[in-house]
Amino acid sequence: DADVTQTPRNRITKTGKRIMLECSQTKGHDRMYWYRQDPGLGLRLIYYSFDVKDINKGEISDGYSVSRQAQAKFSLSLESAIPNQTALYFCATSEGARETQYFGPGTRLLVL
Amino acid sequence: QQQVKQSPQSLIVQKGGISIINCAYENTAFDYFPWYQQFPGKGPALLIAIRPDVSEKKEGRFTISFNKSAKQFSLHIMDSQPGDSATYFCAANNFNKFYFGSGTKLNVKP
Repeated sequence: DADVTQTPRNRITKTGKRIMLECSQTKGHDRMYWYRQDPGLGLRLIYYSFDVKDINKGEISDGYSVSRQAQAKFSLSLESAIPNQTALYFCATSEGARETQYFGPGTRLLVL
Repeated sequence: QQQVKQSPQSLIVQKGGISIINCAYENTAFDYFPWYQQFPGKGPALLIAIRPDVSEKKEGRFTISFNKSAKQFSLHIMDSQPGDSATYFCAANNFNKFYFGSGTKLNVKP
């Protein structure tokens, strides 16, 4: 089984809808991250969490919110989706600040 | 503003050739520089990483060269193979956050 899983893998939604992307990990890492990937822009950090009680904004947090339900679960929400949030979203985990990040398989989101 | 600038955007190399991807940064607080490899439909996976106290790190056919004074680092893939065809991202870490380059799509021709 994969160490970092994301659901759904693909999602089409309409402008204004609320949507939640979920991430689960079995690596036992405290640190979890949400990124979005856009062509020509690489990966940009949306939010990150060092433990259940610690949530931090990344480079591009506007329009997004997160919830760390447990050490193993970190969800990303788009409260009111807009078309420019169409992207590939990745969850990642790591053991420490300068340690390898382990990425999930990604969620491809299309906002119409 | 991109914290880490990566070039080229795409690269075509013949099998057996050397692939070179370059990255540059401005923030001298960065202290960890990984390279990630991403295949279509997959998440990025760590390929090799370097810390600024060394100028070169080699793992098999993959080498990172690091120039601290120039604030540049590069990935060299020796004897490139078609299986190396993927998108490569450089990144830099400032304690809590990773900043990624824009990616290089490598195509190794048989």
